[in-house]
Amino acid sequence: QKEVEQNSGPLSVPEGAIASLNCTYSDRVSQSFFWYRQYSGKSPELIMSIYSNGDKEDGRFTAQLNKASQYVSLLIRDSQPSDSATYLCAVPNTGGFKTIFGAGTRLFVKA
Amino acid sequence: EAQVTQNPRYLITVTGKKLTVTCSQNMNHEYMSWYRQDPGLGLRQIYYSMNVEVTDKGDVPEGYKVSRKEKRNFPLILESPSPNQTSLYFCASSLGGRGGELFFGEGSRLTVL
Repeated sequence: QKEVEQNSGPLSVPEGAIASLNCTYSDRVSQSFFWYRQYSGKSPELIMSIYSNGDKEDGRFTAQLNKASQYVSLLIRDSQPSDSATYLCAVPNTGGFKTIFGAGTRLFVKA
Repeated sequence: EAQVTQNPRYLITVTGKKLTVTCSQNMNHEYMSWYRQDPGLGLRQIYYSMNVEVTDKGDVPEGYKVSRKEKRNFPLILESPSPNQTSLYFCASSLGGRGGELFFGEGSRLTVL
């Protein structure tokens, strides 16, 4: 089992819909979780971090964490074509110095 | 402007010819790290550094060396490049001193023939 798993996609949603991106992780003691967005040909950029169970909202983005199920998700409301990118889930190890990335989910938002 | 700068951005080289990819950050970050990104494999950590003169291996360190003599610089050295090191390389730094909230450079695309 990979340490951080994501559905590679592509996930295709119409403009204005909710895009739901999922990530599972294997290290039960992980404490912090991050979502990065990577446009084609560009470097990853941090868009969300979450540390506690529940939801964290930032504009159109909501991160959801369930530590018991070892599951973290990212919801994008009112999806826009500019949201089309690859979304990477990242989980640092217990010490925090090594970060494991999922392979990423490609999202296409159709106008 | 806060940034992580990598050079070169693009490089084609031949097997066995030593090369160095430089990385510099102007944010006074303690933590820096190198990743490689390959299709289907995602980002994999090569080496990281917690501070000056403190480095450690990531998940794929074979064939690479690093050094951290100054806080702002973290070069990646390929002593004898091989074709399986053809990849897109990213340098990143972190404000928090740990590996979570990373600020990435623009990437260096390396081709080894």
